[in-house]
Amino acid sequence: RKEVEQDPGPFNVPEGATVAFNCTYSNSASQSFFWYRQDCRKEPKLLMSVYSSGNEDGRFTAQLNRASQYISLLIRDSKLSDSATYLCVVLYPGSARQLTFGSGTQLTVLP
Amino acid sequence: DAGITQSPRYKITETGRQVTLMCHQTWSHSYMFWYRQDLGHGLRLIYYSAAADITDKGEVPDGYVVSRSKTENFPLTLESATRSQTSVYFCASSEANGGYTFGSGTRLTVV
Repeated sequence: RKEVEQDPGPFNVPEGATVAFNCTYSNSASQSFFWYRQDCRKEPKLLMSVYSSGNEDGRFTAQLNRASQYISLLIRDSKLSDSATYLCVVLYPGSARQLTFGSGTQLTVLP
Repeated sequence: DAGITQSPRYKITETGRQVTLMCHQTWSHSYMFWYRQDLGHGLRLIYYSAAADITDKGEVPDGYVVSRSKTENFPLTLESATRSQTSVYFCASSEANGGYTFGSGTRLTVV
């Protein structure tokens, strides 16, 4: 079983749509959670951290459910520029800052 | 310029040759990491370093060597390149409580 699992997609949505990605992680003691964005095999870039209370950054909302070991990312009013692969990332305790990456969910926003 | 830089951006080498990928960061981050990314596998950790002169193996260390004599540099050496090491290699750095910042990657082809 993978430590961080994501639906690989692809998700193809029209501009303006709302889309949600889900992610599950296997270690209940995980400490920190992030969403990264990666364009066309370029370097991954931090999109947002995920906090227990949930957090929002403009059109992006991240949620964490520790009981279910589940993380989500909601994108509202999708833009063409949102097309990318979204990586769910988890920091495990005692892992010397080693982040564990999911394989990513591919999003294409269509005009 | 501040940041994290990798060199070379592209490299083609022959099977059996030694090749070194360079990574340099200007923030004095304690932690540095090397990942490889292959289709279908996502990002996999090769080696990491918590500080100068402290390095440790990640998930896929075989065939690779690292050193960290200075905080800002973390070179990755393929001792005897094999075709299975054809990949995109990303270096990243991090402070204790933050996410990673990645370099722009080295695309290595072993022929």
